[in-house]
Amino acid sequence: SQELEQSPQSLIVQEGKNLTINCTSSKTLYGLYWYKQKYGEGLIFLMMLQKGGEEKSHEKITAKLDEKKQQSSLHITASQPSHAGIYLCGAVDFGNEKLTFGTGTRLTIIP
Amino acid sequence: EAGVAQSPRYKIIEKRQSVAFWCNPISGHATLYWYQQILGQGPKLLIQFQNNGVVDDSQLPKDRFSAERLKGVDSTLKIQPAKLEDSAVYLCASSPWTARDGYTFGSGTRLTVV
Repeated sequence: SQELEQSPQSLIVQEGKNLTINCTSSKTLYGLYWYKQKYGEGLIFLMMLQKGGEEKSHEKITAKLDEKKQQSSLHITASQPSHAGIYLCGAVDFGNEKLTFGTGTRLTIIP
Repeated sequence: EAGVAQSPRYKIIEKRQSVAFWCNPISGHATLYWYQQILGQGPKLLIQFQNNGVVDDSQLPKDRFSAERLKGVDSTLKIQPAKLEDSAVYLCASSPWTARDGYTFGSGTRLTVV
């Protein structure tokens, strides 16, 4: 199954600053999901990427999948307190069609 | 469309007691997943159903955990007896068929075993 590594594990950013979270896979990614989670709650879908070089944006969040389909990044522009939470990447496991998750990145936004 | 429904939202039990969680997926979604998330870690798949059949339960601790999806719609996950290390958030998700069709999570059940 997929091994996903997220970096950094935690991030403290001043409000208004930009930030990037990375997700690296040991294998080719056949689909990559990004989710946001409030502590101890369910996962909120952000974006899904499938094609090499694909980039999607929603409001101030942009996600990219590299050409080799082994790394994805999530970029937040002009961060706000509402962006605080845990960001998780999940890879589609080819053949089993389930998601395997990274360990998550905890984002804190300070005023 | 209505999302994935889970209940209860929170549960506190003593070790060695039993507990059950319920999940109702999005209408028409054939595939249902149960995940366990220890706080500070990523979710780990416990069991995957497609309609009422089990696709993958390799990570389910079968000595104490059981799950069923009898009519291919809603599902129940049970722990009996619970251990302290079962304290976690239990997440249910569903997809139309495969993970690439879309993967929607419920709000989770936070279990504390004392």
